[in-house]
Parts: sequence; structure tokens; C-alpha cells
Amino acid sequence: GDSVTQTEGQVALSEEDFLTIHCNYSASGYPALFWYVQYPGEGPQFLFRASRDKEKGSSRGFEATYDKGTTSFHLRKASVQESDSAVYYCALGDDTGNYKYVFGAGTRLKVIA
Amino acid sequence: ETAVFQTPNYHVTQVGNEVSFNCKQTLGHDTMYWYKQDSKKLLKIMFSYNNKQLIVNETVPRRFSPQSSDKAHLNLRIKSVEPEDSAVYLCASSHWGNYAEQFFGPGTRLTVL
Repeated sequence: GDSVTQTEGQVALSEEDFLTIHCNYSASGYPALFWYVQYPGEGPQFLFRASRDKEKGSSRGFEATYDKGTTSFHLRKASVQESDSAVYYCALGDDTGNYKYVFGAGTRLKVIA
Repeated sequence: ETAVFQTPNYHVTQVGNEVSFNCKQTLGHDTMYWYKQDSKKLLKIMFSYNNKQLIVNETVPRRFSPQSSDKAHLNLRIKSVEPEDSAVYLCASSHWGNYAEQFFGPGTRLTVL
């Protein structure tokens, strides 16, 4: 079945550090890939999506590029702020006709001022 | 205001009781979902509901049942709660299709004593 793997369970950075959160997926079709962010006490919020190979999604300074060859969609940000502290989820939407939407386990980011 | 609304915010109950959570969306979407989020922040889809078509995650125990009166409302009933049901229950909505982003409510935190 489809799956999403986020390598880092927790990441701790200082303000202005570069962020990378790794996301790899496994799917039978050609899925859409998503990043969501969840702040404490709230539900996850959509960050951005990419739906074809080499497409870059971006929002609020975060970006990720769909790479079908390496089955990856890594999240990056050049300079993190304390307000970026949250849980980040990578997700996929399967296009094979059997409706599936799969979330990764989440990565908790803590940014220290 | 257009969003996904959930009630109650919190609910504490005893083992064996029945509980019901409400979800309403004012985004004009045609698909709604229930997710369970555990203490480790793992997100697991329980149900999706589109135009009266219910798609059930086969791992969901039968004591859980969704109830929908129209496409803007999707409630969740738990017939006889057990301690492992303690979690945050998140409702979401979207347009139909695996490429659509989902919009989440703030969640209902259930504690089973």
C-alpha cells in the first residue's frame, strides 16, 4: 500500500538556520504530494502541493520539489524563525481511483530564538 | 466566516459511555473526513464521506460510526468508548479528488477514564 516516510521525528534549530525535513513516498500511481503544518492547539493547515515531476511547491518561505526519480518531496526553508515551531506533515493523495490520502508521521520542529 | 467547525473542544467520559462529536464546514466542499490523532501526533484517517458515499478505513473498530445529514455536516459517534479511544479527533473537508488540499477543524480532545 501507499506510504509516506518522514525521516526526522524531531528537529531543533536556532533562528536563521537552514531547515530540511526529509520526505519519501511509495505509491502505485502518480500521486499528488503535500506539506501541512500544525501549530499547537490547531488542526493541520495546508502549506502547498505539487502534482507532477520536477514541480516546485512553495509558501511562506518553505519549498519542496517533486522528485519522481528519488520518490522524494523534501521540505526546505533558508532561514527559520521561532514562529515556525510546529509539527510538519508530508502527505500524498493517490490517483489510482481507490481514494487514498496518506500522512507521514510528522516532524516536530523547535526553533530557539 | 468560512471554515471547519467542531464541537465540543474537549470531552471527558467513562469507559463504556457513548459520545458524539459534531463537525460543520462552510467552505462549500463536497467531501468530509474524520481523522484520529494520537499522543505522538500520528494522523490516521478513519472515514471519508462524499455525496453519501462512505469510505471506511478497515482498521477502524465498529463502535465508531459517521453520521451525515448533508454535505456540510459529518458527525462522529462512538458507541462504547474504550481507553484507547483517548485522542484528538480532527474533522476536515475538501473538494472531491486526491489532489485537493484538506481544511481541518481545531479538533475535539477525548479523554476516556
